[in-house]
Amino acid sequence: AQSVAQPEDQVNVAEGNPLTVKCTYSVSGNPYLFWYVQYPNRGLQFLLKYITGDNLVKGSYGFEAEFNKSQTSFHLKKPSALVSDSALYFCAVREGGGFKTIFGAGTRLFVKA
Amino acid sequence: KAGVTQTPRYLIKTRGQQVTLSCSPISGHRSVSWYQQTPGQGLQFLFEYFSETQRNKGNFPGRFSGRQFSNSRSEMNVSTLELGDSALYLCASSSRQGGDTGELFFGEGSRLTVL
Repeated sequence: AQSVAQPEDQVNVAEGNPLTVKCTYSVSGNPYLFWYVQYPNRGLQFLLKYITGDNLVKGSYGFEAEFNKSQTSFHLKKPSALVSDSALYFCAVREGGGFKTIFGAGTRLFVKA
Repeated sequence: KAGVTQTPRYLIKTRGQQVTLSCSPISGHRSVSWYQQTPGQGLQFLFEYFSETQRNKGNFPGRFSGRQFSNSRSEMNVSTLELGDSALYLCASSSRQGGDTGELFFGEGSRLTVL
């Protein structure tokens, strides 16, 4: 069965500093991996995805994520955080060939000015 | 291109009642997935519909059901509401056809409060 773990409930970072939001996954086949962001009282917005190819993928708003097959991880990163990045971030996995997407519990990111 | 539309956005029910939520996917998208979001449990997968058939199902009791119409619009129903059903219910659409690379497009959700 698919599963996703986001080990941190909350991440705090100062504006201008790099940020990392962690994600590990478990899936039996080839993984399709995603990051989504949710702002208050809104639905989720797609940030980036890994399907195949380069392990470092770039997405919206300057975010990037690194796929590490041996560690079954897909950490979200940004070189320089903005206050406006403060939101709830979800990692998700879909087994390649399937259509059921499973989400992690979410990590709340606080960026302090 | 219009996004995913969910109605109603907010509703209040009492225990024992039933509720129906509606989702209109992005034009051309034929897959609709439903999720329940609560502070303690995060985002839980309810079910996915494609071509009017339920293709995937999460671990929810039979009180939670859904359907999809020929125009891809979907409804979910919760019967005999319990206090624990209070949540944000999110609908997401995807094309599920050639060229589909897997990302979901979410509506803004229907916030259900059960009193």
